[in-house]
Amino acid sequence: KQEVTQIPAALSVPEGENLVLNCSFTDSAIYNLQWFRQDPGKGLTSLLLIQSSQREQTSGRLNASLDKSSGRSTLYIAASQPGDSATYLCALETSGSRLTFGEGTQLTVNP
Amino acid sequence: GAVVSQHPSRVICKSGTSVKIECRSLDFQATTMFWYRQFPKQSLMLMATSNEGSKATYEQGVEKDKFLINHASLTLSTLTVTSAHPEDSSFYICSAGTRGLTTDTQYFGPGTRLTVL
Repeated sequence: KQEVTQIPAALSVPEGENLVLNCSFTDSAIYNLQWFRQDPGKGLTSLLLIQSSQREQTSGRLNASLDKSSGRSTLYIAASQPGDSATYLCALETSGSRLTFGEGTQLTVNP
Repeated sequence: GAVVSQHPSRVICKSGTSVKIECRSLDFQATTMFWYRQFPKQSLMLMATSNEGSKATYEQGVEKDKFLINHASLTLSTLTVTSAHPEDSSFYICSAGTRGLTTDTQYFGPGTRLTVL
């Protein structure tokens, strides 16, 4: 059974800092890995999707990496802003389009 | 494009009543729809997967007679929580999947907050 762990559970940083969120998983037989953002009481916004054959993806100030051999992914956020405050979830897609989510990292960026 | 809506966004009901939540893909036809449940401070847990015109596949530990899923068309799936109890209070999120050239993509709805008194 796939298990997904995100560290840290919560993170508070001053505006402008670069930061890294971590995601680890136990089963490397994945189709892809996604990072999502969830604002309080809201649904999910997809940020980045890394295919199983890829090592990283970039979108603006966000960069996500994937290392299947070690079962790890990181989400790097450059020059953080208060608007980045949200919960960040990583999710792995396995067979049947099933997504297994981590418990998320709650990020607070202080102005 | 690829918008998924849920209705209602918030519902409060008395214990013992049934509640229906709708999930619609507004501008595309969904191959598959997924229903998730999220308790406070916890992650999303997949409850069931449904394909249009066929019975839903429930995850282990999810009671199919309590959580009725109907997937009548390629743009609409409903989740009915029957005889709801306070422990069913949660945030329910649906997603609609499309089959792409290289991957299947899921688009998530905004969620429904259910509170059972």
